Amino acid sequence: AQSVAQPEDQVNVAEGNPLTVKCTYSVSGNPYLFWYVQYPNRGLQFLLKYITGDNLVKGSYGFEAEFNKSQTSFHLKKPSALVSDSALYFCAAGNAGNMLTFGGGTRLMVKP
Amino acid sequence: DGGITQSPKYLFRKEGQNVTLSCEQNLNHDAMYWYRQDPGQGLRLIYYSQIVNDFQKGDIAEGYSVSREKKESFPLTVTSAQKNPTAFYLCASSMFGQGSNQPQHFGDGTRLSIL
Repeated sequence: AQSVAQPEDQVNVAEGNPLTVKCTYSVSGNPYLFWYVQYPNRGLQFLLKYITGDNLVKGSYGFEAEFNKSQTSFHLKKPSALVSDSALYFCAAGNAGNMLTFGGGTRLMVKP
Repeated sequence: DGGITQSPKYLFRKEGQNVTLSCEQNLNHDAMYWYRQDPGQGLRLIYYSQIVNDFQKGDIAEGYSVSREKKESFPLTVTSAQKNPTAFYLCASSMFGQGSNQPQHFGDGTRLSIL
């Protein structure tokens, strides 16, 4: 069975510093990988995806993610965090034969 | 603007009562999904539908029912058999269903509570 792990319940970072939100996955074959963001009492918003190609994927709002096949990871990054980036972030993984599986979410807190 | 509309935003259920959550999309997507989100937990799939008049159970379908009579609509009924219905319910859609590499688009959710 496929699975997604987000090992940190919460990540704290100061405004202007780089941020990383970690995600590892277990998916057979070639994975489809996604990052979503959720603000309070809202649905999930799509940030970026990896299907194939370059290991560094660029997405919305200055976010990017690095696909590492050997480590089965897909960490979300941003060079300079904003207070407005504070939200709940979800990683999701699937493949050509299965539904998406979501991780448990990581709360990002960016302090001024 | 295209998107997914969920209603109501807040819903209260009495003991023994069935309630129905609405989900409508105008994205012309084939696939639609219902997820349950509990505090501190990720999303768990309740039901999904890849085509009109067809749907499949997800990981936690017990106590829930759905219908897909129109491409645009995928209502979820929380029945009295669901003993712990308090949660945030999210509806989503995507261009294709199982195995799709297209992102899912989400509505803004319905928060269901017990009276």
